[in-house]
Amino acid sequence: GAGVSQSPRYKVAKRGQDVALRCDPISGHVSLFWYQQALGQGPEFLTYFQNEAQLDKSGLPSDRFFAERPEGSVSTLKIQRTQQEDSAVYLCASSSRDTTYEQYFGPGTRLTVT
Amino acid sequence: AQSVAQPEDQVNVAEGNPLTVKCTYSVSGNPYLFWYVQYPNRGLQFLLKYITGDNLVKGSYGFEAEFNKSQTSFHLKKPSALVSDSALYFCAVRDISKGTYKYIFGTGTRLKVLA
Repeated sequence: GAGVSQSPRYKVAKRGQDVALRCDPISGHVSLFWYQQALGQGPEFLTYFQNEAQLDKSGLPSDRFFAERPEGSVSTLKIQRTQQEDSAVYLCASSSRDTTYEQYFGPGTRLTVT
Repeated sequence: AQSVAQPEDQVNVAEGNPLTVKCTYSVSGNPYLFWYVQYPNRGLQFLLKYITGDNLVKGSYGFEAEFNKSQTSFHLKKPSALVSDSALYFCAVRDISKGTYKYIFGTGTRLKVLA
């Protein structure tokens, strides 16, 4: 079956631009995570959704970062007024039930801010 | 503060030899522990997890890991390495008792299996 998909795969933004990154989780998966992965580092937690409810946004680095999942399926991570330090790979993962279950990761969106 | 450490950036092992990739953690409360693998140009894939029960857990592709509470470790092992096991391995922990949904990943260990 289809896995987690993310779009775009690559995004180049000029500093100060807004970007929107999309995640299509596996159909029926309740849990959805966003991570930021800098070069040579492990994924860093950004936020967690259970269906449409954003239960944990403690990892969002600033108020320029905003995520939503309005209908409990597709999710969008928005970054306003991008900065160079936002350059990273943004990973989305979904999980069938609660967070003790394994996560299925998408291929990521590589964001480069110039 | 919760943390995960993977002390080795890279591990080299000869094909057919046993391999170990180390992971230690620091959380308050009971940890839920995971291993993920990242092959080149592919997304992270789940290997195995420890939630509760038997300290030795078996996972995909012949991998296993041992939970050691006294040493706060969760090392990944395989009895006989394959060249195709060469990849980047990440250990992760979720501290359930804190009531957060945060996962903490290590910085990764690159495994190179030499033919």
